[in-house]
Amino acid sequence: DQQVKQNSPSLSVQEGRISILNCDYTNSMFDYFLWYKKYPAEGPTFLISISSIKDKNEDGRFTVFLNKSAKHLSLHIVPSQPGDSAVYFCAAMNRDDKIIFGKGTRLHILP
Amino acid sequence: EAGVVQSPRYKIIEKKQPVAFWCNPISGHNTLYWYRQNLGQGPELLIRYENEEAVDDSQLPKDRFSAERLKGVDSTLKIQPAELGDSAVYLCASSLDRRTQNIQYFGAGTRLSVL
Repeated sequence: DQQVKQNSPSLSVQEGRISILNCDYTNSMFDYFLWYKKYPAEGPTFLISISSIKDKNEDGRFTVFLNKSAKHLSLHIVPSQPGDSAVYFCAAMNRDDKIIFGKGTRLHILP
Repeated sequence: EAGVVQSPRYKIIEKKQPVAFWCNPISGHNTLYWYRQNLGQGPELLIRYENEEAVDDSQLPKDRFSAERLKGVDSTLKIQPAELGDSAVYLCASSLDRRTQNIQYFGAGTRLSVL
């Protein structure tokens, strides 16, 4: 039973446009959410996070939105750049500090 | 500052052979994690250490997998004997303190192929 779902295995976006990556979760006990970015042959790197007490967190070109009632979060990247091409993992934590990752979404930024 | 260091980067072994992976976390990070990432999947936690204590090993297949972090710094993960289904990338991560903002920093991983 997947507790963190990224239903789009891949996404292609034109350079300069907005990239929107989506994530759904099932466990209402999750109270902290993170996005990680992964390049080939490298480990995941932390991108941005959000606590369940907030509904938005912004860091430069990256914004994460959290809709607790829908158990949904999204990552917005604007404007998208070629270096953003990577696999993006959504992750969620509960109060036991156990982190659950989604399967990832591969983002392709098109020239 | 050096990040999380893992070795080897790649390992190819035959089934039933033993294999070991090593991880050196970021200096000062008390919490260390071992994850397994299968192809097309996200990382899945195998074991978490707080200093030298394994505080969550519920997902570790204890019949063949073992791990240690004797001095609360670097760690090894061992598989004995390896099976075909163990082929995956094994990731190590560390974080400063799980009670504070828990951002985990990952190493590049060890890609294991069991033939």
